[in-house]
Amino acid sequence: GEDVEQSLFLSVREGDSSVINCTYTDSSSTYLYWYKQEPGAGLQLLTYIFSNMDMKQDQRLTVLLNKKDKHLSLRIADTQTGDSAIYFCAESSRSNDYKLSFGAGTTVTVRA
Amino acid sequence: DAGVIQSPRHEVTEMGQEVTLRCKPISGHDYLFWYRQTMMRGLELLIYFNNNVPIDDSGMPEDRFSAKMPNASFSTLKIQPSEPRDSAVYFCASSLKGVGNYGYTFGSGTRLTVV
Repeated sequence: GEDVEQSLFLSVREGDSSVINCTYTDSSSTYLYWYKQEPGAGLQLLTYIFSNMDMKQDQRLTVLLNKKDKHLSLRIADTQTGDSAIYFCAESSRSNDYKLSFGAGTTVTVRA
Repeated sequence: DAGVIQSPRHEVTEMGQEVTLRCKPISGHDYLFWYRQTMMRGLELLIYFNNNVPIDDSGMPEDRFSAKMPNASFSTLKIQPSEPRDSAVYFCASSLKGVGNYGYTFGSGTRLTVV
């Protein structure tokens, strides 16, 4: 979506950390999400963060939100081959009837 | 809950034929969305429903596309007549309004190939 931007590709070595970045334009965004899409599958909600939070950690996943810069990132620690997928950033706001606006997706390739 | 269920998983049809894609949302969800995913255009929102009523169909590409939701547990997306450029993966998703921390739940998609 034009309101959410993310880089298209990321290559990372197995065991390293991956960082996927996203920027959005809607300052009234309420929730921000990261979805994962594995080959041949639908989008799966990985994690989300409420706009009044700066950080959220969930096992190997860390989400950082800089509301001032409208910047969201997803860090995957100890990246594994199973983490190879397309990662979508998305945002929603009450003003937009909670419709999700998706970025174009970042294809993460994990190399041995 | 079995999640959002889409059928068929794969559909191959000839140009000019009618295609019907089906979706069963999660029970209790009051929003239903149809998306199309292609390499060129990424994820596109086609139409969404709230309480079975179409709210925004501005993403439907042409009059050849139509969607219905006759009840809370079933929706269809129909393409008539189909064209090769309609080849894509079509996703259905459902959600519960206002519960933003849940986002959408997506189905596994229908891969449509029009030859």
